[in-house]
Amino acid sequence: EDQVTQSPEALRLQEGESSSLNCSYTVSGLRGLFWYRQDPGKGPEFLFTLYSAGEEKEKERLKATLTKKESFLHITAPKPEDSATYLCAVPHNAGNNRKLIWGLGTSLAVNP
Amino acid sequence: DTEVTQTPKHLVMGMTNKKSLKCEQHMGHRAMYWYKQKAKKPPELMFVYSYEKLSINESVPSRFSPECPNSSLLNLHLHALQPEDSALYLCASSQSALIASEQYFGPGTRLTVT
Repeated sequence: EDQVTQSPEALRLQEGESSSLNCSYTVSGLRGLFWYRQDPGKGPEFLFTLYSAGEEKEKERLKATLTKKESFLHITAPKPEDSATYLCAVPHNAGNNRKLIWGLGTSLAVNP
Repeated sequence: DTEVTQTPKHLVMGMTNKKSLKCEQHMGHRAMYWYKQKAKKPPELMFVYSYEKLSINESVPSRFSPECPNSSLLNLHLHALQPEDSALYLCASSQSALIASEQYFGPGTRLTVT
């Protein structure tokens, strides 16, 4: 069964304290892995798409990496404004691969 | 510009009311989506439109009725909702209607059913 698991469920960091969020997946024939950021009460904001093992993408303090079994979202020297829930998702392996399988997210809090 | 707009931002309706949610994108995307999101849960897919035609209905109750008037607009008509339908309703769009690609979300409509 296609599945996405994110860890940790919640993470609290001090400003400037780097860390990583994990997204592990079990889906045959990966057709992309998407990272989103979501602020409370707002829609998810697209961050990155990764397609193949070894691929990396960067944006400001965020870097996403992909292996054959998992993806990491590395946050370098985070600031309080990085506080949000980070979601990852992969397309369903069945015919309608526009349906995304979502992880439950990691709630990140960065203290000043 | 990767903007998807949704109106209204907030909606309170009684169980006998009829209301509509609206969504618009001007990115030329060929697929549009409706999602429902409950607190501390990921978005839950409701409907997918591809080239203005309904292509996926995730067994959504008939009290939710989608409509795609043109390639830029998506509506969700609501009728006889239940309190458990209260949630954040999200619209999204993606460039491809055939293969998986990143979806861009609107800000959502916070719906409360009383």
